[in-house]
Amino acid sequence: DTGVSQDPRHKITKRGQNVTFRCDPISEHNRLYWYRQTLGQGPEFLTYFQNEAQLEKSRLLSDRFSAERPKGSFSTLEIQRTEQGDSAMYLCASSSQGAREGHEQFFGPGTRLTVL
Amino acid sequence: QQQVKQSPQSLIVQKGGIPIINCAYENTAFDYFPWYQQFPGKGPALLIAIRPDVSEKKEGRFTISFNKSAKQFSLHIMDSQPGDSATYFCAASMEGYRGSTLGRLYFGRGTQLTVWP
Repeated sequence: DTGVSQDPRHKITKRGQNVTFRCDPISEHNRLYWYRQTLGQGPEFLTYFQNEAQLEKSRLLSDRFSAERPKGSFSTLEIQRTEQGDSAMYLCASSSQGAREGHEQFFGPGTRLTVL
Repeated sequence: QQQVKQSPQSLIVQKGGIPIINCAYENTAFDYFPWYQQFPGKGPALLIAIRPDVSEKKEGRFTISFNKSAKQFSLHIMDSQPGDSATYFCAASMEGYRGSTLGRLYFGRGTQLTVWP
């Protein structure tokens, strides 16, 4: 399977705990995005990497959130001291930079986070 | 502030009907307009996309109509099937200027489509 993969698919945690999600983009894709989707809403942008550099962060990304993409390959999203409001689907997408192809983002299956 | 406004919120059609989903935007810097299909518990899947230099694009049973002057675009699904029942999202993005690249997608709130057999 050469699509975007995410792990875990589901995570249930207690309020105050830390969680970490992983995203493996499509091979050779140098752009990687994280989005958050709550029930009945469209995905909302969280952050963006081009290779290993984090180039943009949404105001939605509080200090409790941190993302990394070491070596420009897989990425991790960590949420510290989780709150019930963090419950959502966390989506990862990747794309390749190009004159016309760079916009096409391919999404992974998401990680469903439930904070009790 | 919702950068892309989508309607209707839900849509029910009979098999063979032609559901139409509409989206509107304000930011004229947007230069890429994709549609995504999402099934419950899955990530969004890219369906079809258009750039503002064309007014229509067809791929199979899916057609995007684009009206640059009105800043509106719509998705038409020809000969709809029960398997098309899903949530559809329109989105928009832009490349940055002076070499910077953005590409982040601004999504509409989604349209839940139900196609009855």
